[in-house]
Amino acid sequence: ETGVTQTPRHLVMGMTNKKSLKCEQHLGHNAMYWYKQSAKKPLELMFVYSLEERVENNSVPSRFSPECPNSSHLFLHLHTLQPEDSALYLCASSQGMSLQYEQYFGPGTRLTVT
Amino acid sequence: AQSVAQPEDQVNVAEGNPLTVKCTYSVSGNPYLFWYVQYPNRGLQFLLKYITGDNLVKGSYGFEAEFNKSQTSFHLKKPSALVSDSALYFCAVRDGNSGAGSYQLTFGKGTKLSVIP
Repeated sequence: ETGVTQTPRHLVMGMTNKKSLKCEQHLGHNAMYWYKQSAKKPLELMFVYSLEERVENNSVPSRFSPECPNSSHLFLHLHTLQPEDSALYLCASSQGMSLQYEQYFGPGTRLTVT
Repeated sequence: AQSVAQPEDQVNVAEGNPLTVKCTYSVSGNPYLFWYVQYPNRGLQFLLKYITGDNLVKGSYGFEAEFNKSQTSFHLKKPSALVSDSALYFCAVRDGNSGAGSYQLTFGKGTKLSVIP
């Protein structure tokens, strides 16, 4: 295991639902990330948090709302999603923001929007 | 802008044979290069990285990668493939000249490796 956990592993939600994805890292890292992985497309970086402050938001629609209450936990709040939002959502963490630090990924949440 | 290309969607290799998964990159500054592996229904696992120094980098599970600055390549290699190496492999790059405030780790589209028994 990588030391990064995500719950739930699978989620099916309707377009009018509100749900949240949770990520927890047990590595003592200072930076956390949300990625979207869709079939046949490269990983898309969504949000970056460093020391609980959001440092990057890659033009993500407002129906995705991140929250980082402390350096170990990261949430992604979802509301009024579209079917094209169905994907694998991956959380990652790294020791810091410096270029040389590799990222450690959780197993992902498989999201299906109906 | 930084970019990375994995020219092969799929690589097939017989068990026990050497394997190579190709990656080329484009950056304006010094490259910081990474390889990750993804098994079915799992997240990405870090394999190895090149930051500076020796062009041959050794990583987890017997994998290694060779940094070639003139060819802007960072191919992943293993001397003897195992069936358990079958997975999706991603190359990623960060640009050392990207400036403060840019945290983008750019991934390739991935190469599916199948090791045939």
